[in-house]
Amino acid sequence: QVQLVESGGGVVQPGRPLRLSCAASGFPFSDYGMHWVRQAPGKGLEWVALISYDGGNKFYADSVKGRFTISKDFSRDTLLLQMNGLRPEDTAVYFCATQNYGGNTAGLNSWGQGTLVTVSS
Amino acid sequence: SFELTQPPSVSVSPGQTATITCSGDTLGYKYASWYQQKPGQSPVLVIYQDTKRPSGMPERFSGSKSGNTASLTISGTQAMDEADYYCQAWDSGTVVFGGGTKLSVL
Repeated sequence: QVQLVESGGGVVQPGRPLRLSCAASGFPFSDYGMHWVRQAPGKGLEWVALISYDGGNKFYADSVKGRFTISKDFSRDTLLLQMNGLRPEDTAVYFCATQNYGGNTAGLNSWGQGTLVTVSS
Repeated sequence: SFELTQPPSVSVSPGQTATITCSGDTLGYKYASWYQQKPGQSPVLVIYQDTKRPSGMPERFSGSKSGNTASLTISGTQAMDEADYYCQAWDSGTVVFGGGTKLSVL
């Protein structure tokens, strides 16, 4: 069964970097695109980034473009999110999620439990 | 930029039918997905490509679309269906979520 376990969250000062990880198991990691989605406290879902199944294509929300980098570590079946230049408005629970079979239009099928990132001085 | 609009809240009595709408310019040309999120939990995909149910999703959840408005319908609503519901679509290389609808089962 699909399992996604995020880690790497914590409290970080504005402007500092942080790297999130999402360990994947129970499905062929190299066959599926993967997303990062975040949710600020008490707010709705905000999509962050998508990486294609082979890592060759990456897409970002305007709010993080140029600051965040999504990648896949195929040797460890792990999705990564490198976050640079963090801002207080980046404070949120960050979820990783799999792209549903069927591609970009088929939704986000499985979700991790999330990891909390707090940007504060 | 592409936006999806949902009502902030919908109320329904147990056993009745709840309908949550999601509207957006050109949504008629895109597929909509729907997610359920209960407090403190991760979202769960309940409908994708407008009308399809993931394996294991109860049949009381159904999706439809008319013009630029997608709808999630929950038939025979149960107390356990009380949650936040989000619509979502893919637009020009980005994923867009609606603002969410809090479904209250009263």
